Amino acid sequence: SQQGEEDPQALSIQEGENATMNCSYKTSINNLQWYRQNSGRGLVHLILIRSNEREKHSGRLRVTLDTSKKSSSLLITASRAADTASYFCATDAETGGFKTIFGAGTRLFVKA
Amino acid sequence: EAQVTQNPRYLITVTGKKLTVTCSQNMNHEYMSWYRQDPGLGLRQIYYSMNVEVTDKGDVPEGYKVSRKEKRNFPLILESPSPNQTSLYFCASNTVGQPQHFGDGTRLSIL
Repeated sequence: SQQGEEDPQALSIQEGENATMNCSYKTSINNLQWYRQNSGRGLVHLILIRSNEREKHSGRLRVTLDTSKKSSSLLITASRAADTASYFCATDAETGGFKTIFGAGTRLFVKA
Repeated sequence: EAQVTQNPRYLITVTGKKLTVTCSQNMNHEYMSWYRQDPGLGLRQIYYSMNVEVTDKGDVPEGYKVSRKEKRNFPLILESPSPNQTSLYFCASNTVGQPQHFGDGTRLSIL
């Protein structure tokens, strides 16, 4: 079953604008991760936020986590054409084991 | 260079012919996972391993086998492949509580 669900499914913006993607999940988590994927390539890790953290920054990326609403958002500021990619959230469940559940992703297209 | 290496990168084969996709990591990670990626469905976890000789099912394990005889290797075995296993497969590794490192993917086509 899918735990993380991204919204929107696709987003098209102009270079220089900000892009916001949202992720919702269903069960308690240890952490939530955001990954980027360029056209069928392997996923690259962007940011990991733990369940006791509310916000994290890395360069032009800002991630928030609201565990009461079971949701997270990824903000990319001052977007560039090179940011065009698919973005996925993934959650590691709090229950035993090591199941990681990915959402279906948001496809971001940044027009130059 | 830290990396996860999958082989082959591309494979076209026929129904029922056993195949193995290899995965190797050089970061001494305890955890390794296999995922398949299908359009509109994101990545779905097939199997994962928490250490040598410790494996468990993910969300879509049917039709797959894995083994973890050594820490660095985590092969994915399709004993009798079927067309519904045509997909893009990713291996990943990490240490506990840290993000995963992904291989470049293996595109399997089963006719």
